[in-house]
Amino acid sequence: KAGVTQTPRYLIKTRGQQVTLSCSPISGHRSVSWYQQTPGQGLQFLFEYFSETQRNKGNFPGRFSGRQFSNSRSEMNVSTLELGDSALYLCASDAGGGNYGYTFGSGTRLTVV
Amino acid sequence: QKEVEQDPGPLSVPEGAIVSLNCTYSNSAFQYFMWYRQYSRKGPELLMYTYSSGNKEDGRFTAQVDKSSKYISLFIRDSQPSDSATYLCASRVSSGSARQLTFGSGTQLTVLP
Repeated sequence: KAGVTQTPRYLIKTRGQQVTLSCSPISGHRSVSWYQQTPGQGLQFLFEYFSETQRNKGNFPGRFSGRQFSNSRSEMNVSTLELGDSALYLCASDAGGGNYGYTFGSGTRLTVV
Repeated sequence: QKEVEQDPGPLSVPEGAIVSLNCTYSNSAFQYFMWYRQYSRKGPELLMYTYSSGNKEDGRFTAQVDKSSKYISLFIRDSQPSDSATYLCASRVSSGSARQLTFGSGTQLTVLP
């Protein structure tokens, strides 16, 4: 069974640009969550999507947005990139039901220069 | 104050030692507790999850939750060099919409051969 797939693995962008990251959850998983991981702040929740609807949102500025498609694949977008957006962006999928363990992908390492 | 505080480490132990990793939390609404292991340049991997108070054992790993003291622990018996990684505790509430995980900052563990 394939795991959570995130693309691309690495990205280098310039301040002011925008970026789109992609996540394909485990087959059958309908919930996709996004987290940002930095050395200073650790892992912080960005948002969660379930059946194409944003179900929950963390405390991040509006420059961070996301969406989910009918096949459960999800994208997140960051506009007007800032140096502080440099981080590992992790996607996690969840089967729901009685399983509360999220499965994470390997992440996309974003560097803003 | 962060909702989940974790002993920062780093922690270095000899092979075969018993390792104790600890977190405390402040949100009384947290009902689900998880431990993740993260290797360098990888996403977090779910090791254990427990609901409410109690112990859970899986092979060399034992997770303990004491809700009265808001204390979360992970014990690793007969530690191996392959256990060298960063360990993250995480918690979440039980209500349906707020499914995001709140993470500790992580403890870096090195098991020396």
